[in-house]
Amino acid sequence: AQTVTQSQPEMSVQEAETVTLSCTYDTSESNYYLFWYKQPPSRQMILVIRQEAYKQQNATENRFSVNFQKAAKSFSLKISDSQLGDTAMYFCALANFGNEKLTFGTGTRLTIIP
Amino acid sequence: ETGVTQTPRHLVMGMTNKKSLKCEQHLGHNAMYWYKQSAKKPLELMFVYNFKEQTENNSVPSRFSPECPNSSHLFLHLHTLQPEDSALYLCASSQALADDNEQFFGPGTRLTVL
Repeated sequence: AQTVTQSQPEMSVQEAETVTLSCTYDTSESNYYLFWYKQPPSRQMILVIRQEAYKQQNATENRFSVNFQKAAKSFSLKISDSQLGDTAMYFCALANFGNEKLTFGTGTRLTIIP
Repeated sequence: ETGVTQTPRHLVMGMTNKKSLKCEQHLGHNAMYWYKQSAKKPLELMFVYNFKEQTENNSVPSRFSPECPNSSHLFLHLHTLQPEDSALYLCASSQALADDNEQFFGPGTRLTVL
């Protein structure tokens, strides 16, 4: 069975600062995808960033980037120049290659302080 | 309407009631999912449908009954629920058989069972 662990239930950071959310996972597969999803207070979950396990280069989407350490099974999310709209629950998730099932972590509630 | 929509957004029901949750996706996807989201727990996958066929039932009690009449619509029929079934129920869709299984989520239905 695969697992995803987010060890930080809550975090807060001042606006414009940088914050890093942690995620570790466990899977016996060699090909898989990792995701960070964001769920703002309005509840609609949206994809923030995605990483293919076979790619060594860390994914980047504007202010969002990941630090993917495959050997350590670690997948952290870095948010640069944080904005008030970044306040949300953030979920780390794992999907094996070609498999429809996503395994989610318990989430990190991030609050950006004005 | 765009994306994934869910109705109703809020539902309060007694344990003897029968109600249904509705999900509709406007993305041309052919895989649809029901998740249960409870506080401080990972999202729990309940059901998966690919091309209208149920491919996953994650040991969900029979008081939850899914229905997928076509690739765009998914229902969750509820009857004789328990208070512990109170949660946010999320619907998602994706392109079946895609490698990365990026899922698109609806806003959820907040269910309260009295």
